[in-house]
Amino acid sequence: QVQLVQSGAEVKKPGASVKVSCKASGYTFTSYGISWVRQAPGQGLEWMGWISAYNGNTNYAQKLQGRVTMTTDTSTSTAYMELRSLRSDDTAVYYCARDERYCSGGSCQNWFDPWGQGTLVTVSS
Amino acid sequence: DIQMTQSPSSLSASVGDRVTITCRASQSISSYLNWYQQKPGKAPKLLIYAASSLQSGVPSRFSGSGSGTDFTLTISSLQPEDFATYYCQQSYTMYTFGQGTKLEIK
Repeated sequence: QVQLVQSGAEVKKPGASVKVSCKASGYTFTSYGISWVRQAPGQGLEWMGWISAYNGNTNYAQKLQGRVTMTTDTSTSTAYMELRSLRSDDTAVYYCARDERYCSGGSCQNWFDPWGQGTLVTVSS
Repeated sequence: DIQMTQSPSSLSASVGDRVTITCRASQSISSYLNWYQQKPGKAPKLLIYAASSLQSGVPSRFSGSGSGTDFTLTISSLQPEDFATYYCQQSYTMYTFGQGTKLEIK
């Protein structure tokens, strides 16, 4: 079955960096993109950015431009999200999700399915 | 940026009730709207894509409708496992989520 398995919880100090991995299985990795979404404690969902597993093209949320880098390793079907210069308000659960795209009649729709189990990143001094 | 506004933010209902959650976009997004369900401590789960298409494996009591700026998610007869938080998401221009609607047991 299609599955995304993320790396474990991290605790970082302010100013540090974190790199979260997302290993895909059950489908052709390069046929889909991966989006990253985070959720601060008790808050809603925030889209962080997208990467094409086919060619590595990226599109980041403007708010995170300059601090986030998304990459993929097609040899291991793994996506990575690195966030730098961490602050306390970066404390959140970080999710990866397969970005599914369906095109018909000249228009294309996208949605996220499935999602990884989430990785808690805690930023604290 | 496209803003998504859900209403209500929270809702109390009973098993068997019919429930409707609304999502409004700040500009027209055609049918580029998805719905997700999230239970505490779990990842979100896709329910509805392209405004009205039911994801495989999702019970038929869930339905979505709307186009342009106004969308609804309807649960025809609430079951105990449906108490969760629901999010809409626009995919017209990159992605934005609504703030969520928490569905609680009355």
